[in-house]
Amino acid sequence: GAVVSQHPSRVICKSGTSVKIECRSLDFQATTMFWYRQFPKQSLMLMATSNEGSKATYEQGVEKDKFLINHASLTLSTLTVTSAHPEDSSFYICSAQTSRYEQYFGPGTRLTVT
Amino acid sequence: DAKTTQPPSMDCAEGRAANLPCNHSTISGNEYVYWYRQIHSQGPQYIIHGLKNNETNEMASLIITEDRKSSTLILPHATLRDTAVYYCIVRANYGGSQGNLIFGKGTKLSVKP
Repeated sequence: GAVVSQHPSRVICKSGTSVKIECRSLDFQATTMFWYRQFPKQSLMLMATSNEGSKATYEQGVEKDKFLINHASLTLSTLTVTSAHPEDSSFYICSAQTSRYEQYFGPGTRLTVT
Repeated sequence: DAKTTQPPSMDCAEGRAANLPCNHSTISGNEYVYWYRQIHSQGPQYIIHGLKNNETNEMASLIITEDRKSSTLILPHATLRDTAVYYCIVRANYGGSQGNLIFGKGTKLSVKP
């Protein structure tokens, strides 16, 4: 199957700093990528849809100025958590969609804000 | 909200078949049934999907009822490594919000020795 990577796998940062998470489709091109967030013992919640070359579409309740998404190429999308706070600590997961609308997920990034 | 209903948990003996049910009574004609699983602290893994015919691959079989209102994922010989949360999702195969994967709570499958 298609492979999606994320970097870093885990990150610890101080409150008020910004963190960038990368999502790459390694063996296919993805015009659309998705960003999810998962809190402990909960299911995945879609945060935003990232389209190559255009602005991301954010789900209701997700602050676009706080969670900056850039999808500059067909194999890379980045999520930047700006001015992170402890309540932003979560498991962030991306997925990339193939031309046949199949979605493949990255391994996730564990963010801890102290 | 998720458009599927799954039991919150199931147990299965190692080596036996695991049958995971899913109800999707409001499924639309253009929506597929997708199954993913998530092993603890990892990203979801695609398992299988289908529209109306039964499907089989190297991981599992998917049985969809004739009226498409429910389906069953079958892991023919469950192993301890199949312990995970299994998500049944219905979605249309095209772009836009209708193509989004909306995750419900899934079924936590525990495979026991």
